[in-house]
Formats: sequence, C-alpha cells, structure tokens
Amino acid sequence: GAGVSQSPSNKVTEKGKDVELRCDPISGHTALYWYRQSLGQGLEFLIYFQGNSAPDKSGLPSDRFSAERTGGSVSTLTIQRTQQEDSAVYLCASSRQSYLNYGYTFGSGTRLTVV
Amino acid sequence: AQTVTQSQPEMSVQEAETVTLSCTYDTSESDYYLFWYKQPPSRQMILVIRQEAYKQQNATENRFSVNFQKAAKSFSLKISDSQLGDAAMYFCAYRTEYNNNDMRFGAGTRLTVKP
Repeated sequence: GAGVSQSPSNKVTEKGKDVELRCDPISGHTALYWYRQSLGQGLEFLIYFQGNSAPDKSGLPSDRFSAERTGGSVSTLTIQRTQQEDSAVYLCASSRQSYLNYGYTFGSGTRLTVV
Repeated sequence: AQTVTQSQPEMSVQEAETVTLSCTYDTSESDYYLFWYKQPPSRQMILVIRQEAYKQQNATENRFSVNFQKAAKSFSLKISDSQLGDAAMYFCAYRTEYNNNDMRFGAGTRLTVKP
C-alpha cells in the first residue's frame, strides 16, 4: 500500500480480555517497529522485526505482550489479559533496511482503551 | 544509554511568527542521527527534518530549520512564518548509528498556533 496501515483505529476492551492489533507496512519495507505512546509521554520502543531475522523483543513490557510478523509483511501485536495501564496509542512504523537512518514511516496508530 | 529531553511541554506562537522548540540529548557516541517528527491529531508521525551528527551544517527544510550544537548536545527546531497547520505535537528523536532498534524519542512539545 501507499502507507503504513494499522487496524483497528480505536479499540475499547474490558480488563482481562485479549486484543490483537494489526500493522500492514509499506510493500518492500523489511524493517518493522512497534511503539507505545502513553498519554503525555514519548514513544516507547516495544519490538523490532528485520526481514527473516529473529525479532528484537527487548522493549516488550511483560510476557502478556507478544508480536509476530508473517511472511515478512503484516505484523500482529497481541496483548493478553489486558490491564488498564495498557491503555495507550500503539504505533507501527516501517522502513527499508538501507533507509533506517533516514527515519521511519509511521501508521496512524491504534488507540487502545482498557476499561 | 541515550536520553532525549524536551523541556517545553507546551508552546504557543502567533500565526506568521517564528517559534523555537528545544531538545537536548545525552550520548557518548560520536555518530548518530537526530530527527524532528510532527504528530497532528490524526496521530500519524510525520518526519519534519533530519540531521546527521557528522555534518556541521544545520539542516533546513523550507520553513523548518534546526540549530544543531553537537558539543552542547542540543538540537532545536525553528519554525518560521508559522501556519495554522503547524499546530501539532513535535517529537525530537535520536537514533544511534550502531543499533537498528534504537530510536529514542523525547516526551514531546505541544505547539499551538494562534490566528
């Protein structure tokens, strides 16, 4: 596609439920990042995928968070047993490997609200 | 570890005037990249301007320019002839040359443009 697409745009869920957030990067972009943006905060790195390499999961805040990337394209971020502190905007970004130092292309994010 | 600090949570500017947003960072590295991103209400992060640390010349993109002071570890953004469409959150970001997953963001500055 022309840009990074994220779905859903907004998600309200009950505490304790699982949620899946989807990111469809720009075609040909091998690098994919997930960030979390809490209210009034900067972006917090969660996970990084690069091609077929093992993902860098060092930013995931707990074992309730996981992510996968199928076929080197679409990625899904899953949060299990959601808690109220998980409420945030989850942003996905992608880039060509050779363009990493030129900045990333971001999606519009998913606003997750846990009630 | 690298940290990015934006000391101005909010700024305001009159339309057509000039405003400067501050950013400082902490690093022991000599090679890195600095970015300013704009996040309008649509939530999509848009790259405004980029600076390579090895370049002494300040980057400029139309009405946007930076004042990069490497020794002081300062990277401020100047917006000239401010327009209503410039109203947004602005994030300063630091990216290391040496780690593909490491782009660190400041907490952001909310810019209001008054007509």
